[in-house]
Amino acid sequence: DGGITQSPKYLFRKEGQNVTLSCEQNLNHDAMYWYRQDPGQGLRLIYYSQIVNDFQKGDIAEGYSVSREKKESFPLTVTSAQKNPTAFYLCASSIRGGEGIQYFGAGTRLSVL
Amino acid sequence: GENVEQHPSTLSVQEGDSAVIKCTYSDSASNYFPWYKQELGKRPQLIIDIRSNVGEKKDQRIAVTLNKTAKHFSLHITETQPEDSAVYFCAASRGGNTGKLIFGQGTTLQVKP
Repeated sequence: DGGITQSPKYLFRKEGQNVTLSCEQNLNHDAMYWYRQDPGQGLRLIYYSQIVNDFQKGDIAEGYSVSREKKESFPLTVTSAQKNPTAFYLCASSIRGGEGIQYFGAGTRLSVL
Repeated sequence: GENVEQHPSTLSVQEGDSAVIKCTYSDSASNYFPWYKQELGKRPQLIIDIRSNVGEKKDQRIAVTLNKTAKHFSLHITETQPEDSAVYFCAASRGGNTGKLIFGQGTTLQVKP
């Protein structure tokens, strides 16, 4: 299970609260990604980063924010603006300019109290 | 925008039978097509991939075929076993520096003993 570590495994958010999901990788990968997984909807891209200090919005970025201050870290903040945050969140990484093979973390399940 | 359609959403087969999952993509510039398997409660893992310069690729009991003209690719699993039961995702990418994957909605495969 080494390579990409997500924490916590389970997270609960109170209404109006921001929460941050951690994603760390030791694969020396340049690119990192955040996906949201809902039943029957596959994996939807929230944000992705190809290099340190740079990131792009994915298909469902509203209500989320990210930072990429270090190569190995790509935290995701679920803000209070995200009205339906209950989902399974997956982080992934890949070699920049590579074959596109992405390696996933074990995920964080976020629920609203 | 870019889109990947995956069918069927659920598939039930008897152990030993074959299973076929089909995907259609919209971006004609896509040139990399991976398939991921996600067992219950676990992270997605790459099982096989194919590039646009190849029409078919096989790895033991699994194979993937690609029809670039039709923008269609399929996953074939032969001699299915109960441990093949999982959710399968197809994806498409332009490859290169972005590595951004567009995922299908997923297929839940159940292999009955």
